[in-house]
Amino acid sequence: NAGVTQTPKFRILKIGQSMTLQCAQDMNHNYMYWYRQDPGMGLKLIYYSVGAGITDKGEVPNGYNVSRSTTEDFPLRLELAAPSQTSVYFCASSFRESTGELFFGEGSRLTVL
Amino acid sequence: TQLLEQSPQFLSIQEGENLTVYCNSSSVFSSLQWYRQEPGEGPVLLVTVVTGGEVKKLKRLTFQFGDARKDSSLHITAAQPGDTGLYLCAGAFPPQEYGNKLVFGAGTILRVKS
Repeated sequence: NAGVTQTPKFRILKIGQSMTLQCAQDMNHNYMYWYRQDPGMGLKLIYYSVGAGITDKGEVPNGYNVSRSTTEDFPLRLELAAPSQTSVYFCASSFRESTGELFFGEGSRLTVL
Repeated sequence: TQLLEQSPQFLSIQEGENLTVYCNSSSVFSSLQWYRQEPGEGPVLLVTVVTGGEVKKLKRLTFQFGDARKDSSLHITAAQPGDTGLYLCAGAFPPQEYGNKLVFGAGTILRVKS
């Protein structure tokens, strides 16, 4: 079972470049999330979606955009990469909100130089 | 101000020792989850606690949810090197406080030496 699949696993960007982190889940979950993880800071919610066509901002949305055209896919777009966006990004999905188990991808490590 | 405080940040212990990790908030949790994360991987759910005073056991791991639902603890008995990892608590707060989303603690890095 694939679960949540993230690509790419590693990427180096130059300041000002743009890129999209891909996320796909095959569990038919309505809820999907993007988190960033920085050392000693836990996981911070960037954006989330409660279903196809519906997205909303999380705790740290600045500099990012998302779309949800299908139940399966939830890409995260970085428009003008900045060094502050150097982080490990995790996509997750769940069957239920809040009390539902989060299923995470393996993460995408992004470095902005 | 952190909505959810986790302590300690780092633990390095010998195999066979016991340890406890704490997760606290000034607000009441609707529910609380504990995750474990290994290097290069995403977090994996260990347990969800919902009822105040609840105790759940998972082999050598014991999870407690405070009576007032403002705190939780994870106790590991006779730690083994395989327990090494990052432990994260994640609390759900009432919708009016954080939109019913999970809030993660900063995590506890556990290293168990053999």
